[in-house]
Amino acid sequence: GAVVSQHPSRVICKSGTSVKIECRSLDFQATTMFWYRQFPKQSLMLMATSNEGSKATYEQGVEKDKFLINHASLTLSTLTVTSAHPEDSSFYICSASHGTVGNTIYFGEGSWLTVV
Amino acid sequence: SQELEQSPQSLIVQEGKNLTINCTSSKTLYGLYWYKQKYGEGLIFLMMLQKGGEEKSHEKITAKLDEKKQQSSLHITASQPSHAGTYLCGAENNNAGNMLTFGGGTRLMVKP
Repeated sequence: GAVVSQHPSRVICKSGTSVKIECRSLDFQATTMFWYRQFPKQSLMLMATSNEGSKATYEQGVEKDKFLINHASLTLSTLTVTSAHPEDSSFYICSASHGTVGNTIYFGEGSWLTVV
Repeated sequence: SQELEQSPQSLIVQEGKNLTINCTSSKTLYGLYWYKQKYGEGLIFLMMLQKGGEEKSHEKITAKLDEKKQQSSLHITASQPSHAGTYLCGAENNNAGNMLTFGGGTRLMVKP
């Protein structure tokens, strides 16, 4: 069964609104989760590292004020796309691991965001 | 930064044929992951390799990491339509805690 779960799997929102995507680790605690973005027919690009109890670390070129990340508990990280625009439409996917380097990294099912 | 190059970018094979996908890194690999992805879905974990020369198999899929730890290959034996999808290799950054850099992916189609 799923080890990492995302919700919603698909969401459509209007331009200018905000939308929240959840990433949950099931059956294990994850102090760190990662958010990726994937455009059609392209590979995954790391957006940010979500750290439980502290600020997220963003990759170069990713706007932290636009993509708000909250990791309030050891099993939940949320990504909020604020003031969404059509160019934000994409497939967003998170990952989590039981521990540090060398442990299996599991990915969520992904979330399709369409901004109209 | 680490870069991963996958080849081929796409592949069409006849059912029953064997195939190999390669993943080459610009730096030493500390952890190399192979995933399979259906379009618009999450990543399915296949295998993880860490040691030079390591080889792992699951059903008809075998993955190897070369001795120098800069190249990995994924081999599928007697391919089936169920093997179709995009195969991604991901490299773990040394001591950076589970973040992955991905290759461009290899899209596999298996013709019945």
